[in-house]
Amino acid sequence: NAGVTQTPKFRVLKTGQSMTLLCAQDMNHEYMYWYRQDPGMGLRLIHYSVGEGTTAKGEVPDGYNVSRLKKQNFLLGLESAAPSQTSVYFCASSYTGQGLAQYFGPGTRLTVL
Amino acid sequence: SQQGEEDPQALSIQEGENATMNCSYKTSINNLQWYRQNSGRGLVHLILIRSNEREKHSGRLRVTLDTSKKSSSLLITASRAADTASYFCATGRSGGSYIPTFGRGTSLIVHP
Repeated sequence: NAGVTQTPKFRVLKTGQSMTLLCAQDMNHEYMYWYRQDPGMGLRLIHYSVGEGTTAKGEVPDGYNVSRLKKQNFLLGLESAAPSQTSVYFCASSYTGQGLAQYFGPGTRLTVL
Repeated sequence: SQQGEEDPQALSIQEGENATMNCSYKTSINNLQWYRQNSGRGLVHLILIRSNEREKHSGRLRVTLDTSKKSSSLLITASRAADTASYFCATGRSGGSYIPTFGRGTSLIVHP
């Protein structure tokens, strides 16, 4: 099993450009999450999904959109990138939300110029 | 706002010593988890302790939970250079879906 994979691993964007980050998991997990990690800030939840076709806002959702059309995939979109969105983005998944372990992807390092 | 906060922010020790880091949180929880993050990598789940448990062990890891003080501690015994990493606690509020909230982490450096 590949676990949780993220595409791409690195990306540089110019302000105003758009892009989509892809997260895929092969563990049949119901819950999926997108976090961003900035120096000194820890992980902050952007959006999450409790099942196929559902999404919900996390702590810092502004400027991002998500979709969960298939159970195994969770997409994070930036419609108009801003320098403040320069960060490392992590996707995670878990069987349910009831306190079970989250499995994290390797991260995507995004720089917005 | 972040639910769990780790302390200290940074810890530097020699190989063989024990490392203790703490996590404090604000609201009632179902359980608390600890994760490790090696530099440039995703987080890896270490251990989960439920709100009705006081202590849990896993190999060289010992976790305690004091719900009256809303705090938890992670003890790594006989540390190794390979334990060098950042450690995060994650808490989820009681009731409803468990959507974990992470603290800022403790950066541990173990010198060989």
